Order: sequence, then C-alpha cells, then structure tokens
Amino acid sequence: DTEVTQTPKHLVMGMTNKKSLKCEQHMGHRAMYWYKQKAKKPPELMFVYSYEKLSINESVPSRFSPECPNSSLLNLHLHALQPEDSALYLCASSREAGEKLFFGSGTQLSVL
Amino acid sequence: EDQVTQSPEALRLQEGESSSLNCSYTVSGLRGLFWYRQDPGKGPEFLFTLYSAGEEKEKERLKATLTKKESFLHITAPKPEDSATYLCAVQLQGAQKLVFGQGTRLTINP
Repeated sequence: DTEVTQTPKHLVMGMTNKKSLKCEQHMGHRAMYWYKQKAKKPPELMFVYSYEKLSINESVPSRFSPECPNSSLLNLHLHALQPEDSALYLCASSREAGEKLFFGSGTQLSVL
Repeated sequence: EDQVTQSPEALRLQEGESSSLNCSYTVSGLRGLFWYRQDPGKGPEFLFTLYSAGEEKEKERLKATLTKKESFLHITAPKPEDSATYLCAVQLQGAQKLVFGQGTRLTINP
C-alpha cells in the first residue's frame, strides 16, 4: 500500500463552523505533514509531525489545530476560518522527516 | 538562504515538440532532489529522485538529470496528457522539510 488517503475530498464551511480534515497512511512512515496550496503556487508547509510529535509549526494561525493520534493518522481541526483560508489542503508522509514525500489527493476547502 | 528556482514559469508546446524544464538551486547541503507532477486540484505525484551530479533517471517520455547547480527535466515528443505543473523539491542535510520551487506549468497542444 503506497497511498496517502485524505477525506473529505471537498469541504465547504462557514466562518463559524468547526470541521476536521483526516489523513491516513499505512506505509510505516514516521513523518506526516500538512501543506496548504493556493492556485498556481507551490505547496506551503504548515506542520510536520515526526514520530507522532509536532516538530515544525510554520507560524500557522491557531484556527488550524493539528493532531496525530497515532503513527498512521493525522488530523487538521479547523475553527473560525477566514475566506482567505480557502485552498487545497494536502497531507503527505515520508519514511523519516525531510525525505521524499508521498502526497494525498488533497481536500479542496472553500470558506464562505 | 536556501533557494530553489524553476524556469520557465509556464511553457506551451505543440504535441511532439521536445523541450526541457529547469530547476536551479542554491542550498547549503544537498541530500537529494525530487521531481513531482501535479494535475489541477490533485496532490503532487512523485516522478524521480536524484542524489548526485551526473545522475540520470528516465520514465517514458521524461528524463531527469542533475548537476551541482541545477536539474533538468527533459520531455521528448510530449503528448497532451503530459500537460501538468512540474515541481522540483530539494532535500537538505539535517532538515525536516523539503524546499520547493515555484513550479513550471506545462501545456501540450494537440
């Protein structure tokens, strides 16, 4: 199994809503990541988890809250988002932090 | 500061017209360089890993090469289905994250 699975594929939410994005991998990778991508831009790193511990937070606003319940799962909890947070949210994993990334297919998020 | 620059930003080719995409890097310690292909609204798909100058990798119509300062992605006789954004990313010594270039948007017209 060489897949990173993300759900949902699409999400529309209001600025007062709370929602969560989910990511799962079964490759035995010890690092998992959240990236945000705007149209015609490269992926922008948000968070890195290494061995289930948060190792990098790229000064992301607190309305984004990551969680790594175990080595296979990664969540991103969303609360009180702004319209400018609308983007493609990508999960990725790698064998160790900083190595080749395997990406999921992403969640297209629209904040109204 | 570690920097990765891709050129051109966008490229339009006719079907069958071969060309090359460039990824130049200025980094403190290169461990590896990766090429990805990304279709609109999808996650990047891994293509190649290159570790040392002089290394080459091939897959169908694509060939990636690496020097001490840059990498090229050569596309030979492209087809419309090769249209995508191509991203390069650099793995650094001791770093927990990759450094991405801005990408090249490739369009192949039939």
